[in-house]
Amino acid sequence: NAGVTQTPKFQVLKTGQSMTLQCAQDMNHNSMYWYRQDPGMGLRLIYYSASEGTTDKGEVPNGYNVSRLNKREFSLRLESAAPSQTSVYFCASRADRINTEAFFGQGTRLTVV
Amino acid sequence: AQSVTQLDSQVPVFEEAPVELRCNYSSSVSVYLFWYVQYPNQGLQLLLKYLSGSTLVESINGFEAEFNKSQTSFHLRKPSVHISDTAEYFCAVSASNDYKLSFGAGTTVTVRA
Repeated sequence: NAGVTQTPKFQVLKTGQSMTLQCAQDMNHNSMYWYRQDPGMGLRLIYYSASEGTTDKGEVPNGYNVSRLNKREFSLRLESAAPSQTSVYFCASRADRINTEAFFGQGTRLTVV
Repeated sequence: AQSVTQLDSQVPVFEEAPVELRCNYSSSVSVYLFWYVQYPNQGLQLLLKYLSGSTLVESINGFEAEFNKSQTSFHLRKPSVHISDTAEYFCAVSASNDYKLSFGAGTTVTVRA
């Protein structure tokens, strides 16, 4: 029972490089989310996908793109990384009813130098 | 759009003393409320949730929270804390007409012997 799996766990990028953070869930959930966590700011929503084939912007979408590849997978792409994107990134999923809790991955710690 | 405010960023407490973490939310529609806990270098785990019904909800490890609609609050309490309760706690809200899940800035609880 893996739940929500994120890869990689750690990554160091140089300014201007691109990369994709991968997320997969095996709980047959419809909704998936990407958050970033920064000290003193809690979790801020970057993008979410209510169901397969749909994506929507959250609070802090600038500098990011997402792809809902299928029901299981939701990837986050940084096209040109900036030091301000240094953060811990969490992927989460929820069942197909909105009044349920989210399940989280273990996070990706990204450093942009 | 919904929002969450956690009123305390840090709460130091002695072992076996009570603790209360305050959470207020804002929403124009009915909401679902959650408390999550994050232990160092881990992802978020659900502590408890309010979806409907009884306004007092409890977790298996002694925490409880009370939904107060008139005060738009969902404060978390534990009558006697343990060293192992040292963690960061997040309040989250989801509006009944939206798939977004919004988090507060977090409260760091440090339990001392």
